[in-house]
Amino acid sequence: EAGVTQSPTHLIKTRGQQATLRCSPISGHTSVYWYQQALGLGLQFLLWYDEGEERNRGNFPPRFSGRQFPNYSSELNVNALELEDSALYLCASSLPAGAYGYTFGSGTRLTVV
Amino acid sequence: LAKTTQPISMDSYEGQEVNITCSHNNIATNDYITWYQQFPSQGPRFIIQGYKTKVTNEVASLFIPADRKSSTLSLPRVSLSDTAVYYCLVGDGRGNTPLVFGKGTRLSVIA
Repeated sequence: EAGVTQSPTHLIKTRGQQATLRCSPISGHTSVYWYQQALGLGLQFLLWYDEGEERNRGNFPPRFSGRQFPNYSSELNVNALELEDSALYLCASSLPAGAYGYTFGSGTRLTVV
Repeated sequence: LAKTTQPISMDSYEGQEVNITCSHNNIATNDYITWYQQFPSQGPRFIIQGYKTKVTNEVASLFIPADRKSSTLSLPRVSLSDTAVYYCLVGDGRGNTPLVFGKGTRLSVIA
């Protein structure tokens, strides 16, 4: 069974540009979560999608947005990139009930220069 | 959400048993305790989850006292490959709220 897949693996953008990160959950999982992990720091919760709806949002500015598609894959968009957005962006998926046991992908390393 | 407190770092020699304790004084009745392991530049990996008493799997054991205000992750006979950051999380286990990760415990295993 394929795990959570994220693309691209690495992404380099210039300050002010937009970045789009993609995530495909495990088959059967309907919830997708996005986390940001800056270098040497813990994971910060960004967004949670379930059944195509945004269920919860972390303490991030509106330029961080996303969506979930009918096939439960998800996209994270970061507009007006700033240098401090450089981080590892992790996607996780889970079942909607008894959801614990998130399965994480390997992440997208975003570097803003 | 119940806040968790864990040691920032721990060192151990290969072959030893390692116990990492997590405090969660405000744990709610419906909360489960879950531990994750993370290697550098990788996503966290689920290790073990429990509600009370003791849970054991092929990787670790989780000890939870009766008051559930703390828990201890036990890693038997660690090896160099167990060097990682270990996170303790508390939540209702029904996906009503997203997992909140603290700073975790950085375990360094020395040969």
